Amino acid sequence: QKEVEQNSGPLSVPEGAIASLNCTYSDRGSQSFFWYRQYSGKSPELIMSIYSNGDKEDGRFTAQLNKASQYVSLLIRDSQPSDSATYLCAVRGYSTLTFGKGTMLLVSP
Amino acid sequence: EAGVAQSPRYKIIEKRQSVAFWCNPISGHATLYWYQQILGQGPKLLIQFQNNGVVDDSQLPKDRFSAERLKGVDSTLKIQPAKLEDSAVYLCASSLGAGGRYEQYFGPGTRLTVT
Repeated sequence: QKEVEQNSGPLSVPEGAIASLNCTYSDRGSQSFFWYRQYSGKSPELIMSIYSNGDKEDGRFTAQLNKASQYVSLLIRDSQPSDSATYLCAVRGYSTLTFGKGTMLLVSP
Repeated sequence: EAGVAQSPRYKIIEKRQSVAFWCNPISGHATLYWYQQILGQGPKLLIQFQNNGVVDDSQLPKDRFSAERLKGVDSTLKIQPAKLEDSAVYLCASSLGAGGRYEQYFGPGTRLTVT
């Protein structure tokens, strides 16, 4: 059974701070890693993808991958109240995408 | 570019009734997915189509759920008969291809309430 683990939160940070969201996965053969943002009552929205060890930056978002430790993270710099949402980590081995339960992020003004 | 379309957006039925959901993927996307998302959980894959063939339906409760993708474009997911535990959001997603680095994009979902 492939598992993706996330702390359910909520993770509370003040506006302007860095939010750090973490995810671990069980399948060593996993090749592709994705972060989705899901606002309450809405569907998941893809915000980042990463495939190689190291960091990948896109605007205020940085995804970090460490395959040896089976760990992937998402950093959000200069957090805004509009970033308040649930962040889902998703991991793919060969074909199927497995999602974690998500971490709720709350950014206070 | 139009996104993934789903209908209806909301549905309330009584247990033992049947219900059907419709999905139209992003134009040109060969792979279509149906997910079930229960409140507080991540999406769980029910079935994956590649064109009009089934790639993975290992988590589809086949005694009550069925899905089809005729002509490799639109898809329908049916539940018959519904149970209380089927109350969830049913999400359709699509991607250009299956596996690898292909990114999945979700539709708005259908919120099903079974009473």
